[in-house]
Amino acid sequence: DTGVSQNPRHKITKRGQNVTFRCDPISEHNRLYWYRQTLGQGPEFLTYFQNEAQLEKSRLLSDRFSAERPKGSFSTLEIQRTEQGDSAMYLCASSSLDTIYFGEGSWLTVV
Amino acid sequence: AQSVTQLDSQVPVFEEAPVELRCNYSSSVSVYLFWYVQYPNQGLQLLLKYLSGSTLVKGINGFEAEFNKSQTSFHLRKPSVHISDTAEYFCAVSDFDSGAGSYQLTFGKGTKLSVIP
Repeated sequence: DTGVSQNPRHKITKRGQNVTFRCDPISEHNRLYWYRQTLGQGPEFLTYFQNEAQLEKSRLLSDRFSAERPKGSFSTLEIQRTEQGDSAMYLCASSSLDTIYFGEGSWLTVV
Repeated sequence: AQSVTQLDSQVPVFEEAPVELRCNYSSSVSVYLFWYVQYPNQGLQLLLKYLSGSTLVKGINGFEAEFNKSQTSFHLRKPSVHISDTAEYFCAVSDFDSGAGSYQLTFGKGTKLSVIP
């Protein structure tokens, strides 16, 4: 069990640029989640995959956000035309049943 | 809809003293309850969880929590804290979405525990 791996850990980008984050879940976990955490807040749910199917999306996930999980293994979260309000930590998590395990997170700073 | 209230945003405590971090939740269905810890610039680490059974659950690093259904609470306790316990602690509630087959977590805003030497 190597844990949930995320990269890059930190990304600074200019407003209007696109960014992509990658998540490698725990190998036997078929459920994968993305959460977003801003300063002073708890994480908020963004989207959920079971295997390769994206089954749930939060209203927080605007049209500029897209997530994929090809082949049901790793996942990517892309943010297009970044805005300063997108600055946050993006957390990936995975689970097999009832317990969700989180990665170290990817910090995004939009300048 | 579920919600989680962590009543204290910051808790300072002296080293080797006991600590209680409070968490109340609201939900219309049976829930599962979790405590996670977050060290600076890191992700979330699971401390403990309540799914069913005994209402007193023990976790890692000497922490324990008690589920109280009548008071809708799930307070976290440790009898003697260490400097290394300085971190932010998040309470979370989850139910099972049978349609999507997922457990989604709803988090509180967190409690920052500062252990004073």
